[in-house]
Amino acid sequence: DAGITQSPRHKVTETGTPVTLRCHQTENHRYMYWYRQDPGHGLRLIHYSYGVKDTDKGEVSDGYSVSRSKTEDFLLTLESATSSQTSVYFCAIRPEDGHGTDTQYFGPGTRLTVL
Amino acid sequence: QKEVEQDPGPLSVPEGAIVSLNCTYSNSAFQYFMWYRQYSRKGPELLMYTYSSGNKEDGRFTAQVDKSSKYISLFIRDSQPSDSATYLCAMSANYGQNFVFGPGTRLSVLP
Repeated sequence: DAGITQSPRHKVTETGTPVTLRCHQTENHRYMYWYRQDPGHGLRLIHYSYGVKDTDKGEVSDGYSVSRSKTEDFLLTLESATSSQTSVYFCAIRPEDGHGTDTQYFGPGTRLTVL
Repeated sequence: QKEVEQDPGPLSVPEGAIVSLNCTYSNSAFQYFMWYRQYSRKGPELLMYTYSSGNKEDGRFTAQVDKSSKYISLFIRDSQPSDSATYLCAMSANYGQNFVFGPGTRLSVLP
C-alpha cells in the first residue's frame, strides 16, 4: 500500500460538464502522475507533477488540466467532459529512495463514464 | 510500431504450469524495467523491478532482461489461480524519465 487514495472511485457524468478527480498521498512524494487506461492502449500518461505548482504534460493531455497546490494532493480536471474521456483513471507516485531505484506505485483508480 | 509491444492474450494455463510473459521494445536507451500485476478493477501493483540486463528472482517470479534483443520476460513457476491477472511491463530510459507501458497480457490459471 503506497498510501494513495483516489476520489471519487466511480463517477457518471454528462457530456459538457466539468469533472475533477482527486489523488491524495500520505508520504510527501514529490512526483505524482495521472494516467488513463483503455482497452488495447494500456496506461497512457496525461499529466505529471514534480512538486507543488510544478506540472507538465504527458502524451494524452488534450482536454485535461491539473493542479497541485499541496504536496499531498494532485487534481485532474476535465473542463468539459466528452465521451472519449470515458476511461479508468489512475494516479501514481514515484518514490525517491536515494538508491537510484526508479519505480511507480498506483492508486486504486477512478472509473469515469461520460454519457 | 509501438514503443513497447506485448501479446494481449488471453493466455490460459493449468495450475502448476510455468508461465512466460514477454515484452519487446524498440528504444535501445531503456534501462529500467518493471513488471506490474493488475487484478480486475484494481490498480497495478509493482511485481518486479530490474535495472539494466540480467535476471532477478523473487519467490516464484523471475524477471529477465535481454537488452541486446530488446526483450524482457517474466517467468512464473508453479502458477496458481491467484496469479490470474493482467501483467503489464513498463520501462524508462533515464532515472526520473516517464515510463512507457505495454498494453498488458491477460493470464488465466485454471484450477
